[in-house]
Amino acid sequence: DAGVIQSPRHEVTEMGQEVTLRCKPISGHDYLFWYRQTMMRGLELLIYFNNNVPIDDSGMPEDRFSAKMPNASFSTLKIQPSEPRDSAVYFCASTLTGTGVGNTIYFGEGSWLTVV
Amino acid sequence: EDQVTQSPEALRLQEGESSSLNCSYTVSGLRGLFWYRQDPGKGPEFLFTLYSAGEEKEKERLKATLTKKESFLHITAPKPEDSATYLCAVQAPPGGSYIPTFGRGTSLIVHP
Repeated sequence: DAGVIQSPRHEVTEMGQEVTLRCKPISGHDYLFWYRQTMMRGLELLIYFNNNVPIDDSGMPEDRFSAKMPNASFSTLKIQPSEPRDSAVYFCASTLTGTGVGNTIYFGEGSWLTVV
Repeated sequence: EDQVTQSPEALRLQEGESSSLNCSYTVSGLRGLFWYRQDPGKGPEFLFTLYSAGEEKEKERLKATLTKKESFLHITAPKPEDSATYLCAVQAPPGGSYIPTFGRGTSLIVHP
């Protein structure tokens, strides 16, 4: 299994530019998560999907952030316009069978975003 | 208020020097507690799931234990390759959600 695949691995962009992060979950998994990790706040859940439908986006910090999942094998996290405080590592993760008891969440390698 | 607190934030050990990492939680109705390992520049990698107090799981030099208020990750005779950040996450469903809440992690460095 290829695992969760994220792109790009590294992104450096200027403030005000649009950033799009991409994710391919593990095949067959029905839940997809977007997390953000910073030194100050640790690992934060931004949004998660079940069967391509957004379930909880209460972790999305501002309206500048949006996420979509057009099909079971692809999701995007978009930041528009980007700001320096958005600099962080963004992880995509997936799991099978609806995060029931003990369902393991598998993470991608992350997208390292730097906004200058 | 943090539901999951990990300590210490950072730990330096000499190779072979055994120690323990702590994960304390304040949630009620714990359904599962997860331990992950995260190497620099990588995503978190799953290690263990614990479900009930008294449960223990082992993998190589690592052993995870669980009580009603905390979990320990014991590292026996660590090697430099055990250096990583160890994350703990708890799964407790307020309002029906089973999404795990992560702690801030313990950064472990093992010196040769």
